Amino acid sequence: QEKVQQSPESLIVPEGAMVSLNCSFSDSASQSIWWYQQHPGKGPKALISIFSNGNKKEGRLTVYLNRASLHVSLHIKDSQPSDSAVYLCAVTPTGANTGKLTFGHGTILRVHP
Amino acid sequence: EAAVTQSPRNKVAVTGGKVTLSCNQTNNHNNMYWYRQDTGHGLRLIHYSYGAGSTEKGDIPDGYKASRPSQENFSLILELATPSQTSVYFCASGDAGQGTYEQYFGPGTRLTVL
Repeated sequence: QEKVQQSPESLIVPEGAMVSLNCSFSDSASQSIWWYQQHPGKGPKALISIFSNGNKKEGRLTVYLNRASLHVSLHIKDSQPSDSAVYLCAVTPTGANTGKLTFGHGTILRVHP
Repeated sequence: EAAVTQSPRNKVAVTGGKVTLSCNQTNNHNNMYWYRQDTGHGLRLIHYSYGAGSTEKGDIPDGYKASRPSQENFSLILELATPSQTSVYFCASGDAGQGTYEQYFGPGTRLTVL
């Protein structure tokens, strides 16, 4: 079964800082890798996904995927207090056309003004 | 935007009682999912469905049943609730057929079993 591990467990940064979140997974043939954001008392919401090796940029978000090292990272530029949330890494297992996702435990991010 | 709703939002149940959690989606997605979220365990998949009439076991199905009577509705049933099932439950919908695998989550149901 796919395993997804995230680091750090929590992070506190000042407003405007660059935030870097890490995720490692166990199967190099995994399909899409997703990052979800979850605010307190809410359901997770998809932020960005990546399938191919390399990077993908959307607004203040950049995600880097290296399948050989089984690692994906999310970088948030110019962080804002509204970015304070739990960030979940999720992986679609190999061969799964069910849309199933395996989630990591998350990183708690706090951005203080 | 995709819309997934859950009811009830909060539920207190007694040990041994029957609990039904309901989920409705207006996205016309084929797939629906039930997860529970616990500190130290993250989100874990309980049951999922490919469409009306189908249910499949996820990673932690023991003690739970699921029902998908229509495209829009997916229920999670705890026939004999236990305190270990105290958790926050999330429903999600998605359409793997589009190749994106994005899931849209509801707001969650907080269940306490006493």
